[in-house]
Amino acid sequence: QKEVEQDPGPLSVPEGAIVSLNCTYSNSAFQYFMWYRQYSRKGPELLMYTYSSGNKEDGRFTAQVDKSSKYISLFIRDSQPSDSATYLCAMSDLAGNQFYFGTGTSLTVIP
Amino acid sequence: DTEVTQTPKHLVMGMTNKKSLKCEQHMGHRAMYWYKQKAKKPPELMFVYSYEKLSINESVPSRFSPECPNSSLLNLHLHALQPEDSALYLCASSQRGDDEAFFGQGTRLTVV
Repeated sequence: QKEVEQDPGPLSVPEGAIVSLNCTYSNSAFQYFMWYRQYSRKGPELLMYTYSSGNKEDGRFTAQVDKSSKYISLFIRDSQPSDSATYLCAMSDLAGNQFYFGTGTSLTVIP
Repeated sequence: DTEVTQTPKHLVMGMTNKKSLKCEQHMGHRAMYWYKQKAKKPPELMFVYSYEKLSINESVPSRFSPECPNSSLLNLHLHALQPEDSALYLCASSQRGDDEAFFGQGTRLTVV
């Protein structure tokens, strides 16, 4: 079993839709959770970083962490064509020094 | 400033060449990373430097040699690479090693 599971998609939605991206994990030691957006042929860009269970909002993006279920989500409201990218979840434990990535979900927002 | 700068952006090298990839950050981050990313795959960890010391080497072949000259710089020396080593090489840094990591834009390496 992989440390982090993420549905690779591809996911295609119309402009304005709410997008839900999810990751599950197996290691209960994971404490830090990140979402990255990666455009084609570019490096990953940090979108959200959370530590505790609950929700964190930043503009159109909301990150949700449920440690009891070992499940994290990223919600994108009012999706735009510019949101079309691959979204990677990543997480680390308190020992640090290593991040575990999901496989990435490819998202296309259709105008 | 949350910028991690990688040079060069593109590199084509022959299998007998020696080249180096460079990474620089001025955020005072104490952990720096090299990742390798193949198309449509997540980044794979290669090396971690913590406080300028190599703390993790993920069984990377010796034809890849990392170097951390100081707390702001990270190099990856390449020698006798194979065509299958062609990939996007990403550098990242984080403040402590267990907090959020910031990535550079990568060096796209092609080995011919």
